[in-house]
Parts: sequence; structure tokens; C-alpha cells
Amino acid sequence: GAVVSQHPSRVICKSGTSVKIECRSLDFQATTMFWYRQFPKQSLMLMATSNEGSKATYEQGVEKDKFLINHASLTLSTLTVTSAHPEDSSFYICSAALRSGGAGSTDTQYFGPGTRLTVL
Amino acid sequence: AQKVTQAQTEISVVEKEDVTLDCVYETRDTTYYLFWYKQPPSGELVFLIRRNSFDEQNEISGRYSWNFQKSTSSFNFTITASQVVDSAVYFCALSEPYGNNRLAFGKGNQVVVIP
Repeated sequence: GAVVSQHPSRVICKSGTSVKIECRSLDFQATTMFWYRQFPKQSLMLMATSNEGSKATYEQGVEKDKFLINHASLTLSTLTVTSAHPEDSSFYICSAALRSGGAGSTDTQYFGPGTRLTVL
Repeated sequence: AQKVTQAQTEISVVEKEDVTLDCVYETRDTTYYLFWYKQPPSGELVFLIRRNSFDEQNEISGRYSWNFQKSTSSFNFTITASQVVDSAVYFCALSEPYGNNRLAFGKGNQVVVIP
């Protein structure tokens, strides 16, 4: 159980184009979904927190108009990198939180396989 | 603010040796949760364990074991009889307060198991 899929796994695009990445929790309804970015040999950097039916909460320094997040249902969140540029090339990982305790507890995040974006 | 320190950047071991990964955390919360994740070369983070601050029992799962010491704010992870498949980056993470499900991640331990 607790499987999260992410598509596409790899995308190469030209500078100026937009890229959409999908994140789905396959066998559970997520309480929250998260989007991270990871640079080589570094830890995960949280970009935004996404809740179904509400606007995403972006971390400081993350441009919300650049990285559009839509959370259409309890099992689907999408990240669109608009007008991508080479500096947006990175590994993007989503996670979905599965209820793991009572109110106020921290749910367990399960991660998708990641999307490697290369902008030429 | 929450902080997680994983001091050992890269650890190399010969197959069948044991390896222990240190995780030291800082928090002002009395209730918190600690996690370990494995990130193999494929990139996907795999959930290994979730532990709440009130449960200080050590845990063993196959060749994996965890030692939670609240007195020293540590949640160390040991792989016994390491195998090549254990080669990965291992992240320790600490929950942020207010039940918002966010995590503070350490920088990770790169484990290289040499056959």
C-alpha cells in the first residue's frame, strides 16, 4: 500500500515551454501533497504544500507564478513549470501524506519516483 | 525551528559490515515525529520508519534497527550485515509543529557498500 506515482519520469524541453508534472496517490487519499526540488548530492528542498480544493502554500523564494500547482482531488496534484529555463532543470519529487495518527499528529509522507526535468 | 543534523556525509563499508548512521535533532516541541527514508540511485524516496516522541523503544526490522535516545536527541539507524543493495542516500527527518505534515530533512548520509 501507500503507492505514489509521478509522471513523466523524465522530460526534456526547450527553453520557454511549459511542463506539467502529475502526482497521484494510487491506493489512498492524501491529506496533503508536497512538491520538492532536489539538486545533485543535496537534500530535498520543499517548494510548496498542496491541499485539495485550496491554494498551495509556497515556500519563501519559490515563485508561485512560475511553479503553478493545482490540487484537483484527494489523489491528484499537478505542478506546472511555466516558461521553463535552463536554471529550472532539476529533479522534482512529489509526496502524498497518509493519515497516520489522530488530529495534530504528523502524517507519513510517501514519495513518488521523481521527475528529471532538463531544459535546453 | 526544527533542525536535523546528519554529520556523516559519505560512508563506505565493505559488504557484510555493519554501518550506523547518526541523526541528531533539535526541537522545542514535546510531541514530534521522526522519520528515516532511503533514496537509492533510482531517485525514489522509500519510507523506512516513523517514530513519535513518546515511543522510545528501539525497533528492529530485518537487518535494519533504530535507536531512539530522547536524552541525547538522537535517532540513529543501523544496517547490519550490509549488502550492495543498501547503497543509497539515507535521510532523517523531523516533523514540524502544528500538525501541518511538513518535515525538516537532514542533508542525508550517502552509504556505499563495496562488494
